[in-house]
Amino acid sequence: DAKTTQPPSMDCAEGRAANLPCNHSTISGNEYVYWYRQIHSQGPQYIIHGLKNNETNEMASLIITEDRKSSTLILPHATLRDTAVYYCIVRLVYNTDKLIFGTGTRLQVFP
Amino acid sequence: GAGVSQSPSNKVTEKGKDVELRCDPISGHTALYWYRQSLGQGLEFLIYFQGNSAPDKSGLPSDRFSAERTGGSVSTLTIQRTQQEDSAVYLCASSSLSPTEQYFGPGTRLTVT
Repeated sequence: DAKTTQPPSMDCAEGRAANLPCNHSTISGNEYVYWYRQIHSQGPQYIIHGLKNNETNEMASLIITEDRKSSTLILPHATLRDTAVYYCIVRLVYNTDKLIFGTGTRLQVFP
Repeated sequence: GAGVSQSPSNKVTEKGKDVELRCDPISGHTALYWYRQSLGQGLEFLIYFQGNSAPDKSGLPSDRFSAERTGGSVSTLTIQRTQQEDSAVYLCASSSLSPTEQYFGPGTRLTVT
């Protein structure tokens, strides 16, 4: 799987949008971008994934650049419960292989 | 429906003892994974089962670690002759073939004294 690069930490005010960037410059054409998060003392939780089009679900939006070398996860109205470590992972979509977790971004949402 | 469950939630053991950790995946999920997370560290892959295929054991740190999956469902991770560096949270996850998102259990916190 391609390697990803994320900032180690970010802060966000409650109610504001949290924009978490991820670089994946070596992503191949058949690899998708996945996002998971891990709230303290819990197992990781799937958030969203995409190939090249922007995606939105009830949790977040995913914006992928046209060249697919980077992406941004957007939490439109961050709450204190969104405080977690966010992991960006690239992998084949129809593939059940293991996830390779990087160091992720620690998002702190403050009141 | 029920998610991935793991037992015990906490385990304290003496150095040198063997431990067994259990994972019950989501019903119908053919893929099962074990990861571990040491204090303040990232998630480290251990082993992966997919259906009847031979498991991917490439992440097991030593031959003291082994895992089995019986009947394509429940899995047990066994650590023999535990060492203090084995102290970590052991996480189990499962997934179906479509979609392939992994669903994680709450983990087992292992402390080796």
